[in-house]
Amino acid sequence: AQTVTQSQPEMSVQEAETVTLSCTYDTSESDYYLFWYKQPPSRQMILVIRQEAYKQQNATENRFSVNFQKAAKSFSLKISDSQLGDAAMYFCAYRSPQETSGSRLTFGEGTQLTVNP
Amino acid sequence: EPEVTQTPSHQVTQMGQEVILRCVPISNHLYFYWYRQILGQKVEFLVSFYNNEISEKSEIFDDQFSVERPDGSNFTLKIRSTKLEDSAMYFCASSTSSGGGKTQYFGPGTRLLVL
Repeated sequence: AQTVTQSQPEMSVQEAETVTLSCTYDTSESDYYLFWYKQPPSRQMILVIRQEAYKQQNATENRFSVNFQKAAKSFSLKISDSQLGDAAMYFCAYRSPQETSGSRLTFGEGTQLTVNP
Repeated sequence: EPEVTQTPSHQVTQMGQEVILRCVPISNHLYFYWYRQILGQKVEFLVSFYNNEISEKSEIFDDQFSVERPDGSNFTLKIRSTKLEDSAMYFCASSTSSGGGKTQYFGPGTRLLVL
């Protein structure tokens, strides 16, 4: 079974600065998908960014980018020019590509990000 | 922009009572999911549903849970006889396909409190 680990329960960053959230995972599959979801105080789960394991290029979405290291099974999220609205719990998630047995998302424990003005 | 909706936003119930949590997935989506998040813990998969049947379920999803798509728009999670440990946030999600690349979009959640 796949596991996802986020070793930083809490992180903080100054507004306008850059912060990196860590995520590692364990899998025997060679192809898979990785996601970062954001959960603000409203507790809605919002997709931030996704990465396909077969792609070597790191995904980017505006101020959000990932550092995907397949050999190290590492998938970190970098937030540039941090804004107050970025304050939230961030979850890393893994998904198998298998059609029938891989529909579930496996989540990490989450990292609570605080943005200081 | 289309979104997943869930009702109610909060539900308080007595232990042993039945509860039904409702979700309206995004209209062109075909795959539906339930997850739960106990306070302070990670989000856990419960079940996935496609073509009017369960396609995958976790060990959490035991006989007290059931899911149904009673009409063309709603997707429900029923807990037959609630326990204190069922208190959690329940999230519904939907996607256009179950393929790994297809993003699951989440609803705002239902906060269930069992007393």
